[in-house]
Amino acid sequence: GEDVEQSLFLSVREGDSSVINCTYTDSSSTYLYWYKQEPGAGLQLLTYIFSNMDMKQDQRLTVLLNKKDKHLSLRIADTQTGDSAIYFCAEIGDAGGTSYGKLTFGQGTILTVHP
Amino acid sequence: NAGVTQTPKFQVLKTGQSMTLQCAQDMNHNSMYWYRQDPGMGLRLIYYSASEGTTDKGEVPNGYNVSRLNKREFSLRLESAAPSQTSVYFCASSEREGTGKYFGPGTRLTVT
Repeated sequence: GEDVEQSLFLSVREGDSSVINCTYTDSSSTYLYWYKQEPGAGLQLLTYIFSNMDMKQDQRLTVLLNKKDKHLSLRIADTQTGDSAIYFCAEIGDAGGTSYGKLTFGQGTILTVHP
Repeated sequence: NAGVTQTPKFQVLKTGQSMTLQCAQDMNHNSMYWYRQDPGMGLRLIYYSASEGTTDKGEVPNGYNVSRLNKREFSLRLESAAPSQTSVYFCASSEREGTGKYFGPGTRLTVT
């Protein structure tokens, strides 16, 4: 079945850039997502990228997609203490087909930002 | 807009008890979903409703039932709770498949 892998921990200093990486196995991925989860809260959709794109920028967030290597990354510029959270990478395959609704999530990367 | 709301926020059940988790969205989204989140396993899809009037099983439907009451509301029922159903349950909605899913705040359920 599909698999999404992320490193579990990332620690950065405030003001530095953070790069969270994700790899996936589903070659039919159509959309790839980044979600943020703060302690005790639900998941907040940060951004998503369609599989025919290789980059998407949204304010401090930059998403890079290497479809050949099935590698997705999220770069957060000027990381702040409020960015400390768990970040989930997720992908969905052939939308509308048998995988409808079946977002496959990674295990999440815990980002800790030190002052 | 409240977005996606879920009730209750917390619940403790004894094995064998039943309960219904409620979910509502005010974004006029067509599709709604129920996920469970367990440590080390990410989120797994329990059931989904592609549009009003339809429901389908996801990855882990056993022990659950759902009702798409109307376009706004999608409920998840546990008929006979088991300790393996201890988890955090998230409801989500999206305008259509492929667009971003918006999640509710979650329901933390403990079955003893």
